[in-house]
Formats: sequence, C-alpha cells, structure tokens
Amino acid sequence: EDQVTQSPEALRLQEGESSSLNCSYTVSGLRGLFWYRQDPGKGPEFLFTLYSAGEEKEKERLKATLTKKESFLHITAPKPEDSATYLCAAETTDSWGKLQFGAGTQVVVTP
Amino acid sequence: KAGVTQTPRYLIKTRGQQVTLSCSPISGHRSVSWYQQTPGQGLQFLFEYFSETQRNKGNFPGRFSGRQFSNSRSEMNVSTLELGDSALYLCASGQAAGANVLTFGAGSRLTVL
Repeated sequence: EDQVTQSPEALRLQEGESSSLNCSYTVSGLRGLFWYRQDPGKGPEFLFTLYSAGEEKEKERLKATLTKKESFLHITAPKPEDSATYLCAAETTDSWGKLQFGAGTQVVVTP
Repeated sequence: KAGVTQTPRYLIKTRGQQVTLSCSPISGHRSVSWYQQTPGQGLQFLFEYFSETQRNKGNFPGRFSGRQFSNSRSEMNVSTLELGDSALYLCASGQAAGANVLTFGAGSRLTVL
C-alpha cells in the first residue's frame, strides 16, 4: 500500500536556527514529489515539485531534495513568517492527478 | 489575477441532508481537483476533472459526486450527510491534467450536526 510519512509532527525553531523536515514515501512508481505550505485558514500553497532522485530545488530560505526513498525540506535561517504547516505529497504513475499527502509538519519560528 | 474561488466558505447542515459546493478555477485552467481535509485523516483526494471528464477518483463512497462544466467550473455534491463528513473541502485548479502545479482555494468548511 502506498504511504507518505512526514516527521517530525511539529517543530519549534528560534529565528535563524536552520533545520530539516523529512518526508519518506513508499509508493509504486513515483511520478512526482510535491511540497506545499499551508497557513491557518488557507488552502495549501505550492512550493516545489521533484521528479527524480538527486534533484534539488531552492526558493528563498527553502531547499528541497529527493532520494529514492525520501525527500527533505531544508529551512535555512528561518524567519517568523516561515511558520506554517509543510505538506509533502506523492503522485504515482498509475494514479496521475491524485496527490497522496503526508500528515504534515507544523513549524513555528519564534523571534 | 483572480485565484481559485470556492463557495460557500462556511455551511452547517444536519445529518441526512445533501450539500453542493462550488469551485471556480483560475481563468484558463482546465483541471479541477477536490480534496477533503480533516484533523484525523489529513488531506485526502476525492476526484479530478479535466475538460468535463472525471479522470481519477479517490476511495470515497458513492455519496460523494462531482462534475465539471464547459467553462471549467466544478461542483461537488455530498448526499445523505453523515457526522463524519464534517471537514474542509478544498478545490485546486491546474493548467493541465495531472497534479503538476496546483493552486488551491481557501476551502469550504462543512459542519454536519
């Protein structure tokens, strides 16, 4: 059975304290691994798509990487505005268009 | 550029009733997907539509249905509501079929009493 697992469930960081979020996946035929950010009361906001092992993408203080079994979202020198729930999701080759989401990591960055 | 618009934003229904939720995608987007979000189950895929055709369906009972119109607007319907249907229902639109880059709306918060 396809599974997407995120850890930790919650993360509290001081401003400037870098950290990494983990997303491990067990799916048959990965087409793409997606990262989204969700703020309270809003829908998820797209961050990155990774398609193959070894791929990396960056956006401001965020960097996403992908291996054959997991993906990492690195947050470098976070600011309070980076506080959000970060969701990863997998799309498989036999369920094109269906995203299977992990439970998310709630990140709080304090000044 | 207008985002994805979902209506209504909040609604309260009682068990046994039915509900229809509406989603207007970003102009030019032809793909619409629906997800259910609950604290216990997280985000779960309901269905995806592209050019008025349902391309993919999640593991939900037949009480959950949807459709897409020729202008790409989409509706989802839940009949015979149960308490467990209380959730945030999210619609997302994309330029092409498949997950690709999806833009989500703010959701419709359904409470079933």
